[in-house]
Amino acid sequence: EAGVTQFPSHSVIEKGQTVTLRCDPISGHDNLYWYRRVMGKEIKFLLHFVKESKQDESGMPNNRFLAERTGGTYSTLKVQPAELEDSGVYFCASSQGGFGQETQYFGPGTRLLVL
Amino acid sequence: AQSVTQLDSQVPVFEEAPVELRCNYSSSVSVYLFWYVQYPNQGLQLLLKYLSGSTLVKGINGFEAEFNKSQTSFHLRKPSVHISDTAEYFCAVSAYHNTDKLIFGTGTRLQVFP
Repeated sequence: EAGVTQFPSHSVIEKGQTVTLRCDPISGHDNLYWYRRVMGKEIKFLLHFVKESKQDESGMPNNRFLAERTGGTYSTLKVQPAELEDSGVYFCASSQGGFGQETQYFGPGTRLLVL
Repeated sequence: AQSVTQLDSQVPVFEEAPVELRCNYSSSVSVYLFWYVQYPNQGLQLLLKYLSGSTLVKGINGFEAEFNKSQTSFHLRKPSVHISDTAEYFCAVSAYHNTDKLIFGTGTRLQVFP
């Protein structure tokens, strides 16, 4: 069974440009999460999808970030326009059930560098 | 709100020595507790989790952790480490029946030397 995959693995862009990150969850997982780790700091929650609906987007930093989950399958996270402070590692995770006790399976992350 | 503190940012240890990685949390509600590991160039992998019941939890790769409610701690231990245990370890919590989001600590880099 394939794990969570993320594309691209690395992205280097200039301030003001747009970047779109993609996440493919484990097949059959209704729950999809995005997290971010800024260098040297903790991994922080961004948002949670249940199928195609946003269950919790309390961690989204501002309106430059837009997350979508088409048809309840893969998800994209778009940053437009990118700022220097957006640099970090963006992780995607998925789980079968919810309620906090389910194991979340993480992808390898996308390393974003904004110059 | 919940928070997680991992006091040790780096832990150097020799191969075959025991190790303890410390994790303390703060929460006004009951929580589930997790330890994840990230090997170089890989995603986070679950080591173990505490949901309820016995406070001593055994995980993969010989790791175990003990939940201590009075001290709000969930320290990770291994009696004898291997070079392959070199990685970054993250403690995390999620609130009971409230939200799915994980609250992470800042991570502890375990470096095992031969």
